[in-house]
Amino acid sequence: DIQMTQSPSSLSASVGDRVTITCRASQGIRNDLGWYQQKPGKAPKRLIYAASSLQSGVPSRFSGSGSGTEFTLTISSLQPEDFATYYCLQHNNYPLTFGGGTKVEIK
Amino acid sequence: EVQLVQSGAEVKKPGESLKISCQGSEYSFNTNWIDWVRQMPGKGLEWMGTIYPADSDTRYSPSFQGQVTMSADKSVSTAYLQWSSLKASDTAIYYCARHFAYGGDNDYWGQGTLVTVSS
Repeated sequence: DIQMTQSPSSLSASVGDRVTITCRASQGIRNDLGWYQQKPGKAPKRLIYAASSLQSGVPSRFSGSGSGTEFTLTISSLQPEDFATYYCLQHNNYPLTFGGGTKVEIK
Repeated sequence: EVQLVQSGAEVKKPGESLKISCQGSEYSFNTNWIDWVRQMPGKGLEWMGTIYPADSDTRYSPSFQGQVTMSADKSVSTAYLQWSSLKASDTAIYYCARHFAYGGDNDYWGQGTLVTVSS
């Protein structure tokens, strides 16, 4: 199985801050990676697909980068509605695997 | 509008069986893989497996192989997740979603089904 190591597991940030979340794959997965946001009591929502493509309707402050084994989700200017938990997901190989999640909290 | 609608919350006792459902609409249900995801209380997301409704081809995560059964009924555009003997550790929210590997505008999830297993 491909392991997805996501860091940090949590972070505290203020509105307006730049936030970066990283996922590392245990083997190369090309760009077969998505980033998801989940708010309490809700189904997750995809923000980024193919590592760097912005999902339709997602604000441009979200961006993704990386290929192979190292991937990054960046929020350029954190907004109040961005406080949530974020997950990466690789779909290069079965079984698909999620990262452990990053909880973004208000400082 | 593409929709996935899941069956309602369930409360079961250990050892009981259960089948939950996920009905798709407004797209070609039969020719799109459906994924299942588990989220235990306060925990992260776990991919359980996927099913292709047209021929019921399945791929299970090793963590869930033999623990659950995925099936589909093309005639009613519905996918199912089934347990033959529930355990307390099966308590979780279960989500269905259109296959995660699809790109573009593909981001369709069911609303989740809460399964509570308690004596």
